[in-house]
Amino acid sequence: DQQVKQNSPSLSVQEGRISILNCDYTNSMFDYFLWYKKYPAEGPTFLISISSIKDKNEDGRFTVFLNKSAKHLSLHIVPSQPGDSAVYFCAASVSPSGTYKYIFGTGTRLKVLA
Amino acid sequence: DVKVTQSSRYLVKRTGEKVFLECVQDMDHENMFWYRQDPGLGLRLIYFSYDVKMKEKGDIPEGYSVSREKKERFSLILESASTNQTSMYLCASSLYGQSNYGYTFGSGTRLTVV
Repeated sequence: DQQVKQNSPSLSVQEGRISILNCDYTNSMFDYFLWYKKYPAEGPTFLISISSIKDKNEDGRFTVFLNKSAKHLSLHIVPSQPGDSAVYFCAASVSPSGTYKYIFGTGTRLKVLA
Repeated sequence: DVKVTQSSRYLVKRTGEKVFLECVQDMDHENMFWYRQDPGLGLRLIYFSYDVKMKEKGDIPEGYSVSREKKERFSLILESASTNQTSMYLCASSLYGQSNYGYTFGSGTRLTVV
């Protein structure tokens, strides 16, 4: 039972345009959401997060939107750059005791074309 | 910078061997995690630990065990390696109670079981 879903395995975008990566979740108890970026042969690196009490968080070219009623999360990258080409994972946490345990989606491979 | 170091980048082991994957973090994090990454399945949690000698099963613990004798070190053990354990293994750590930065991951160990 996949609680966090990324339905697009891949996405290609022209350099300078907007990249929109989507994520859906099923558990309304999730209280924190993150996006990670992963290059081949490296571990994932943290990109941006959002708390369930917010609907938007922005950090430079990266913005995450949260729609709780739709249980939907999206990451916008504007403008997209070739160095953004990577696999992007969304993750959601449950925190029963302060140990935040993240459940990850299956990932979306973004290719930014020069 | 927090560093999470996994002892091997690549490992090749034979079916039936006992395999140890080592992970060390240098920032006094309470929480440590082992995930495996497989194409189309994303990152799946094997085990995690929130304190020395404490461990909890994740979503796919079968065939694995863990050891945390010291705070900085978290070992994943494949009791009798099988070909379906061929995967990328990722170790991560985090501070207790800190949600907004997620985990810090190591670079991963690509294990091939032949």
